Amino acid sequence: QLQLQESGPGLVKPSETLSLACTVSGGSFTSSTYFWGWIRQPPGKGLECIGAISYRGGTYYNPSLQSRVSMSVDTSRNQFSLRLSSVTAADTAVYYCARMWLTTNCFDYWGQGTLVTVSS
Amino acid sequence: EIVLTQSPGTLSLSPGERATLSCRASQSVSSSYFSWYQQKPGQAPRLLIYSGSSRATGIPDRFSGSGFGTDFTLTISRLEPEDFAVYYCQQYGSSPLTFGGGTKVEIK
Repeated sequence: QLQLQESGPGLVKPSETLSLACTVSGGSFTSSTYFWGWIRQPPGKGLECIGAISYRGGTYYNPSLQSRVSMSVDTSRNQFSLRLSSVTAADTAVYYCARMWLTTNCFDYWGQGTLVTVSS
Repeated sequence: EIVLTQSPGTLSLSPGERATLSCRASQSVSSSYFSWYQQKPGQAPRLLIYSGSSRATGIPDRFSGSGFGTDFTLTISRLEPEDFAVYYCQQYGSSPLTFGGGTKVEIK
């Protein structure tokens, strides 16, 4: 069974860079059928797709966040990462990593999520 | 950007009743790239329906999806206690990928 696990600091200061990693286990990380994505959810609110990356490094970023987002992959560790720069309180959210199935462009496996709070 | 508007915001029903959730898109969306998710408190979303009407692995047949163009529907034929949750629609037939604002199905 495929599993995804987010990791990273739970508290980030305003104007700094949020960094998270997602480790994938129990399945193929290097399949061209999938991208690996990040979705966030502010407390009590809905879902927002941040972007996604292929194992080869091809990326899709949400245009609304594109100027602050970068993603990377490490195939040796079955891991992909998110960096979001210049954070503000509005970036406080639960951050989920998930697998995007390219045939249907849906997220079929999700991590449990990690809360990141932006505060001084 | 395609905006997905879900209605109603909250649906109050009793176990055993039928639930009909709507998702309207601001522009036409290919049903091939339209999905529904269920989210319970403190949990990650779970994929229910992909390609407009196909159930994901392990999803009971009381869940069904339908629709095309700008109007899509998720139907739960008979609500079970575990079905009370928030439901989101999502499209990525057109960039950017977007989610609806969610419909909460609560116990009446």
